[in-house]
Amino acid sequence: ETGVTQTPRHLVMGMTNKKSLKCEQHLGHNAMYWYKQSAKKPLELMFVYNFKEQTENNSVPSRFSPECPNSSHLFLHLHTLQPEDSALYLCASSVRQRQWEKLLFGSGTQLSVL
Amino acid sequence: DAKTTQPNSMESNEEEPVHLPCNHSTISGTDYIHWYRQLPSQGPEYVIHGLTSNVNNRMASLAIAEDRKSSTLILHRATLRDAAVYYCILREGGGTQGGSEKLVFGKGTKLTVNP
Repeated sequence: ETGVTQTPRHLVMGMTNKKSLKCEQHLGHNAMYWYKQSAKKPLELMFVYNFKEQTENNSVPSRFSPECPNSSHLFLHLHTLQPEDSALYLCASSVRQRQWEKLLFGSGTQLSVL
Repeated sequence: DAKTTQPNSMESNEEEPVHLPCNHSTISGTDYIHWYRQLPSQGPEYVIHGLTSNVNNRMASLAIAEDRKSSTLILHRATLRDAAVYYCILREGGGTQGGSEKLVFGKGTKLTVNP
C-alpha cells in the first residue's frame, strides 16, 4: 500500500459513455501524474500537475480530460473513448515535480472500452 | 528524452545476487538515475535513485560508473518476490522552474527468479 488510492479498480464502458477515474493521496504530495499502460507497451506519461497547475500534456487526445481540484485529488474524465483506449491507467504522486523526487504509484484502474 | 538501454530479460536463482545493467551514454550532468520495478498486475514501485555516488537502501544498491554512462542495480539476495520488470530511467532536470522533469519509462528488464 503506497498511500495513493485509485478508484475504481476495474471499469467497463461503452464508446458513448462518460466516466471518471479518481486518484487521491493524503501524503502531502504536490505533484500528481497520469500514466497509461497498454498491453505489451511501456508506460506512457499522459499528464502532470504540480501544485494544481498542469505542467505536462503529452499530446493526449481531448477525449481524456484531467482535473486537479487540489493537491490531494486528481481525476481523469473520459468521454467517447475508442476500444484502443483500453488499458491500465495509473496515477502517481511525488512531493514535488523535481528530478530527485521518487514517485509513488497507485494500483491502477483497468479500463475496458467496448 | 535521454535514453537508457537494458537487456530484455535476465534470469537468476533464489538467494543469489542479481546485477541488472543499464547503459545511458547520453546522460547529462543534472539527470538523476531512477530504478522502478513492476510486479504483475501492480503499479510500478520505486526501488532506488542516485546522481553520482553509489546508493544503498533496504531494497537494493545502485552502483554508478565514474563517467555516469552506465549503472547497475544490485539485489543482494534475490527472492521469488523480486520477479518483476525492472526499469532504469533518467529523470532530466527542468531548469530553475522545475519544468519538465518527466519520468519516462522504457521497456525494462524482465527478471525471472528460479527457486
